[in-house]
Amino acid sequence: DVVMTQSPLSLPVTLGQPASISCRSSQSLVHSDGDTYLNWFQQRPGQSPRRLIYKVSNRDSGVPDRFSGSGSGTDFTLKISRVEAEDVGIYYCMQGAHWPPSITFGQGTRLEIK
Amino acid sequence: EVQLVESGGGLVQPGGSLRLSCAASGFSFSNFNMHWVRQVTGKGLEWVSSIGSGADTYYADSVKGRFTISRENAKNSFYLEMNNLRAEDTAVYHCARGWLADWGQGTLVTVSS
Repeated sequence: DVVMTQSPLSLPVTLGQPASISCRSSQSLVHSDGDTYLNWFQQRPGQSPRRLIYKVSNRDSGVPDRFSGSGSGTDFTLKISRVEAEDVGIYYCMQGAHWPPSITFGQGTRLEIK
Repeated sequence: EVQLVESGGGLVQPGGSLRLSCAASGFSFSNFNMHWVRQVTGKGLEWVSSIGSGADTYYADSVKGRFTISRENAKNSFYLEMNNLRAEDTAVYHCARGWLADWGQGTLVTVSS
């Protein structure tokens, strides 16, 4: 099974400052179709997860452009250029390159305001 | 607008059964892969099961042999039949569409005596 490892697990950030979350996979996430299936999700307190980024770097509709995704192969990063109060929550990476048969999430990174 | 609404959660004794439903609207349901993802309170996300647009099915090892996923395109719905439930199955169960672009609010399953 593919293992997704995020770091850090806790991320205190000052408002207006940048933030960066790393996600590493135990196997390449490049699918046989040539695409790389790595998504990022945000889960605000008390809410369902919301997809922010798909296929490494594509922002979903309505996602502020302060969020960006990058990476390739097994090494990926989610960056927030200037953290706002509404960004507090837990961020998860997820691989879909090895679906079927399975989808795997990272452990989650808790972002809080310092 | 895409909507996914789960139902069927509740309290069940260990060894018991539940059937979760996810009602979908706002998109061409039959064309999409659909998924169940669960979350233990205060913990991370765990993929549970998927059903492809062709009704092919996939399960996490932790539920294989106990859970069955199915879909009913005529009703824009899909289901998770959960048997032989264990305490460790206690979680909020979310349904999700496609590459998890959209999620429901979740339904709580509690397995306890």
